[in-house]
Amino acid sequence: QLQLQESGPGLVTPSETLSLTCTVSGGSISSGSYYWGWIRQPPGQGLEWVGNIYYSGSTYYNPSLKSRVTISVDTSKNQFSLKVNSVTAADTAVYYCARRVAATSLRDIWGQGTLVTVSS
Amino acid sequence: QSALTQPASVSGSPGQSITISCTGTSSDVGNYNYVSWYQQYPGKAPKLMIYDVSNRPSGVSNRFSGSKSGNTASLTISGLQAEDEADYYCNSYTTSSTWVFGGGTKLTVL
Repeated sequence: QLQLQESGPGLVTPSETLSLTCTVSGGSISSGSYYWGWIRQPPGQGLEWVGNIYYSGSTYYNPSLKSRVTISVDTSKNQFSLKVNSVTAADTAVYYCARRVAATSLRDIWGQGTLVTVSS
Repeated sequence: QSALTQPASVSGSPGQSITISCTGTSSDVGNYNYVSWYQQYPGKAPKLMIYDVSNRPSGVSNRFSGSKSGNTASLTISGLQAEDEADYYCNSYTTSSTWVFGGGTKLTVL
């Protein structure tokens, strides 16, 4: 059973870089059948798609975040990562990683989510 | 890209049917059959209920169904149960090769 687990600092200082990693277990991130992505949810608000990556390294980002976001993949560690630069309080959210089956909207496996707070 | 439009809240009594709408544009909902719906309980990760407009993943009750007409997708829950009380989000692919969520709908079972 494939599982995803987010990890990273729970507190980030304003203007610094938020860095999170999603570890894939029970399956290979190198399968060509899936995209790997990040979705976030500010406290008390709705879901926001951040971006996703294919195992080959092709990336797609939310236009509103594109200038500050980088998603990368490390197939040797079976992980993919998220970096958000120049964070502000508006980046405070629960960050989820998720798997989506290619050529579908089937985003079937999610991590449990990790809360990242931006504060000095 | 703008969020898809969902009603903020809907309600229904046990046993009834409710429908949640999700309105987009010809650049997202209206252009692809890549619309999905998620159920989310407080403090929990979202759970996929419907994908590709009307397909149910294995294990999801057949009380949940999806459809689409033009730029509007819909989620229908029949035989409403207390356990269906949750937040629901729609999600669509866009012509920019990105994805956009709806603002979410809080379902209350009376």
